[in-house]
Amino acid sequence: DGGITQSPKYLFRKEGQNVTLSCEQNLNHDAMYWYRQDPGQGLRLIYYSQIVNDFQKGDIAEGYSVSREKKESFPLTVTSAQKNPTAFYLCASSISGIGNQPQHFGDGTRLSIL
Amino acid sequence: GESVGLHLPTLSVQEGDNSIINCAYSNSASDYFIWYKQESGKGPQFIIDIRSNMDKRQGQRVTVLLNKTVKHLSLQIAATQPGDSAVYFCAETRLTGGGNKLTFGTGTQLKVEL
Repeated sequence: DGGITQSPKYLFRKEGQNVTLSCEQNLNHDAMYWYRQDPGQGLRLIYYSQIVNDFQKGDIAEGYSVSREKKESFPLTVTSAQKNPTAFYLCASSISGIGNQPQHFGDGTRLSIL
Repeated sequence: GESVGLHLPTLSVQEGDNSIINCAYSNSASDYFIWYKQESGKGPQFIIDIRSNMDKRQGQRVTVLLNKTVKHLSLQIAATQPGDSAVYFCAETRLTGGGNKLTFGTGTQLKVEL
């Protein structure tokens, strides 16, 4: 089945440690996105990529980094500079990065601090 | 300022009744709107979308209404079932020239009572 796979489902980070969240899609979508969700809040955009080897900062990019070396993969690194990383992280993709396209989501990674 | 919000954080309905979930937006330039359903511990699931050149769109048991005059969006669920219990988000795109960037509301928790 086509879809978006996020791993791991749960992740724990120690102080001063960088961690990387995986996102893979086999939908042949050009655009991919990372969101952060905090309890009782909507999704906030961290980074997005409209095409391979290109990405842009979203609304809350500080403390995060991404890469887009392959069409199907868009990993997110939560760096030690992100002082409040505990959240539910969601990856999404859409056919293109042009507006008026629905985004389809994975089932998320829950990151916690040890 | 610009915002996408919801009128009620929680909505309780009896099984079999119709549900109406509301959403307000403030940017008249918004031209595409999506409703998502999110179950606990999972990613948002696409329900239905509507473009700004439409007032109404129907899907299976769901209808989305768009009132551009008052910048209001609603999701109607017919014959609500226990499986409809979830958080519902509206999302919008704004043509800022930077890709398919969605802005999400904070969500409404729909509870279906037996």
